[in-house]
Amino acid sequence: NAGVTQTPKFQVLKTGQSMTLQCAQDMNHEYMSWYRQDPGMGLRLIHYSVGAGITDQGEVPNGYNVSRSTTEDFPLRLLSAAPSQTSVYFCASSQQGGTYEQYFGPGTRLTVT
Amino acid sequence: LAKTTQPISMDSYEGQEVNITCSHNNIATNDYITWYQQFPSQGPRFIIQGYKTKVTNEVASLFIPADRKSSTLSLPRVSLSDTAVYYCLVGDPINQAGTALIFGKGTTLSVSS
Repeated sequence: NAGVTQTPKFQVLKTGQSMTLQCAQDMNHEYMSWYRQDPGMGLRLIHYSVGAGITDQGEVPNGYNVSRSTTEDFPLRLLSAAPSQTSVYFCASSQQGGTYEQYFGPGTRLTVT
Repeated sequence: LAKTTQPISMDSYEGQEVNITCSHNNIATNDYITWYQQFPSQGPRFIIQGYKTKVTNEVASLFIPADRKSSTLSLPRVSLSDTAVYYCLVGDPINQAGTALIFGKGTTLSVSS
């Protein structure tokens, strides 16, 4: 199993550009989520999904969209990038949400200039 | 999920035992205590989970007193490679299965030679 994969590993965007961060898992997990991590801030939840077709907002959803058309994929879209979205983004999956064991991807380091 | 409090940082030397305590005064009856480890430039990794008394695996031990208002993650004989951020989370893995997992700032453990 590849586990949780994320692409790209690094990305630089200009303010106002859009892009999609890809996340895929091959463990048949129902629950997937996106976090951002800023220096000194710990991990903050952006959006999560409890199954295909179901998504919900986390702590910091503004500026981000998600969809879950398949069990395997959970892309994160930035419609109009802002410098405040410069961060490291992690995708995670698990059999269930809450405190079930979460498997994290390697992260995407995004810089918005 | 119950609120947790843990030290922001700890320092240790190689070969020492490290104990990181997490306070969770409002823990509910069905809540479990979970710890994650995050190395620099990587996503968090599940270490251990427990409900009461003591849990041990190949990585760490988790000690939970009878009142369950705190817990201690114990890392035996740390090495430089144990330098990481350690997160304590408390929640109900069954009834909060659809609930997002919220990470705090964690404890930054620095191990020196």
